Amino acid sequence: AQKVTQAQTEISVVEKEDVTLDCVYETRDTTYYLFWYKQPPSGELVFLIRRNSFDEQNEISGRYSWNFQKSTSSFNFTITASQVVDSAVYFCALSGLQETSGSRLTFGEGTQLTVNP
Amino acid sequence: GAVVSQHPSWVICKSGTSVKIECRSLDFQATTMFWYRQFPKQSLMLMATSNEGSKATYEQGVEKDKFLINHASLTLSTLTVTSAHPEDSSFYICSAIKLTRMGAQYFGPGTRLLVL
Repeated sequence: AQKVTQAQTEISVVEKEDVTLDCVYETRDTTYYLFWYKQPPSGELVFLIRRNSFDEQNEISGRYSWNFQKSTSSFNFTITASQVVDSAVYFCALSGLQETSGSRLTFGEGTQLTVNP
Repeated sequence: GAVVSQHPSWVICKSGTSVKIECRSLDFQATTMFWYRQFPKQSLMLMATSNEGSKATYEQGVEKDKFLINHASLTLSTLTVTSAHPEDSSFYICSAIKLTRMGAQYFGPGTRLLVL
């Protein structure tokens, strides 16, 4: 069975602070995908990143960066110089590598990030 | 890009009525679509996997007779909530897999259902 844990239910920061959202996962698969999604108040899920288990290289995209540590089964997400528009619920998710049934996503519980001006 | 639409975006209905929600992949074919349900301040929970031309696969605890799923074409899946009750009020989200990009799952904007 797959499981994703986001221990931080809510995080509140002041604008321009850096913030890291934690994600720990469990899977018996040797190959898998990890994802981060943003869900603003409108509800629509916004895809942020997909990382496959073969690639442990960290990634940076603008103010966003991701730290994948296979040894600790973690895939943490850092926002640098946070902005009010970053306020949303962030979900970490896990799926297998197969094209169809393996693509079913297991979501973490989500972290509500509030960035105050 | 890969766009998935849902219709309607909002629906309010009386208890006991049936509600149909459509999920369409607008610019790609999707042999597999997923239906998720999200209650307020909770995570997304997979309800069922919808495969074109075959019966849907439901997750444990999801009533297949209550949540009817039809995937009649490569671009359309429908979820019908039959005899809806207030506890069915939720945010329903579909997603579609684009086979040309393995593992890529594209989400619709969601449908908010309120059963009075």
